[in-house]
Amino acid sequence: DIVLTQSPALAVSLGQRATISCRASQSVSISRYNLMHWYQQKPGQQPKLLIYRASNLASGIPARFSGSGSGTDFTLTINPVQADDIATYYCQQSRESPPTFGGGTKLELK
Amino acid sequence: EVQLVESGGGLVQPGRSLKLSCAASGFTFSNYYMAWVRQAPTKGLEWVASITNSGGSTYYRDSVKGRFTISRDNAKSTLYLQMDSLRSEDTATYYCTRETTLFDYWGQGVMVTVSS
Repeated sequence: DIVLTQSPALAVSLGQRATISCRASQSVSISRYNLMHWYQQKPGQQPKLLIYRASNLASGIPARFSGSGSGTDFTLTINPVQADDIATYYCQQSRESPPTFGGGTKLELK
Repeated sequence: EVQLVESGGGLVQPGRSLKLSCAASGFTFSNYYMAWVRQAPTKGLEWVASITNSGGSTYYRDSVKGRFTISRDNAKSTLYLQMDSLRSEDTATYYCTRETTLFDYWGQGVMVTVSS
C-alpha cells in the first residue's frame, strides 16, 4: 500500500499563510496527472473535498486554498487563514488500490 | 444537490452482524462507483470497500475481506454494507461516499460500536 505521511499539527495565526505537506512512499503521478487529493474535516462533520489531482479547486471552495506538487511531495496552502479554516486536513492518493489517506494535519490557532 | 444519508448504525456485540444503508439523491446513482470509508474515534480516515456502478465488481480492504459485503440497488438508489463477524476494531463512524477515483461527496456518517 502507498503510505502518505503528514505532520500531525500546524499552528498558525489568523491572516497568515498555512502550508500543509503530504509525502507519499512512492510516486502517485501518472504522466501529467498527479493523483493526490485533499479533504477538510471540521469537528463533528464529514470530510469535504477541497483539491483534486493536486492543484484543482473543487466546486465552491474559496480561492485562498491552493494545492501543488508532483511525484511524492505535495502541499496544501491556505492564504490567508480564516477562523473558519480551523479543521483537520487529509491527503488521499488514487494512484494505486487500495486508496489511502494521510494521518491528517490538525490546523490550530497560534 | 447531491445527498447521501446513512442509516443502520448502533451498538453490537463482537461476532454479531449489522447492515448499513445509504440513500442517495441528487445525481444518477447508477452512473457512479460508490464506497464506504470509516473513521475510528479520534483517528484518521480509512477506505473500507468500493463497488462499481453496475455492482458487478467489488473491492475490499484486507482486514474486512470475507466479513463485509458491499452491494447496491440502483432501482432504489441505495448502497449497503453488510458487516458480519464484527470485531472491536471495526468500531468507527462509517461514511458513504461517491467515488470518482477520489471521494467527491460524503454522507454525514453513521456510528458503529462493537462492544460487549
